[in-house]
Amino acid sequence: GQNIDQPTEMTATEGAIVQINCTYQTSGFNGLFWYQQHAGEAPTFLSYNVLDGLEEKGRFSSFLSRSKGYSYLLLKELQMKDSASYLCAVRDRDYKLSFGAGTTVTVRA
Amino acid sequence: IAGITQAPTSQILAAGRRMTLRCTQDMRHNAMYWYRQDLGLGLRLIHYSNTAGTTGKGEVPDGYSVSRANTDDFPLTLASAVPSQTSVYFCASSEGENQPQHFGDGTRLSIL
Repeated sequence: GQNIDQPTEMTATEGAIVQINCTYQTSGFNGLFWYQQHAGEAPTFLSYNVLDGLEEKGRFSSFLSRSKGYSYLLLKELQMKDSASYLCAVRDRDYKLSFGAGTTVTVRA
Repeated sequence: IAGITQAPTSQILAAGRRMTLRCTQDMRHNAMYWYRQDLGLGLRLIHYSNTAGTTGKGEVPDGYSVSRANTDDFPLTLASAVPSQTSVYFCASSEGENQPQHFGDGTRLSIL
């Protein structure tokens, strides 16, 4: 099984940068995903890492260190619409996803 | 518009009743999944199907059953609903088991 930890809440100012950390313990690692979920809506796919390093996608970047069981999602140039919950999910060797409880990010003007 | 459709959007159900949550996708994705989302616990996998005709158990399968008669449909059945099954249920699909999952809009289910 998986044990996935991420902070419950974070607050940041519009235009700033926020880093959401995710640590995991897994019996078989096969990739890490980040999803964004606005209140009352479905999760939407943001990024995927399977090898160590940084993946950049516009204002969002995701980093993975498999040896440390660690990932982070970096949100740059924060906008009000980025206020949402961010879910870290680890895929196991059977290709099933286990999700963290999510980090609620609040962007203030 | 291609995507995943879940029905109903929300439902209030008496304990002991049988309920089927519907999920249909038109993307011809092979893999489909059912999750429940509870406050503070995140998304937990109930059942999954890697291809039509096959199903598997996830982390919290008890009290739920699924079927996958064709590629598009993946219904979730609660045979005898209990209050602990009050949750938001999300259906998801992916092109293959190693591809990102795409989620439906969810069904809010309250068991009284």
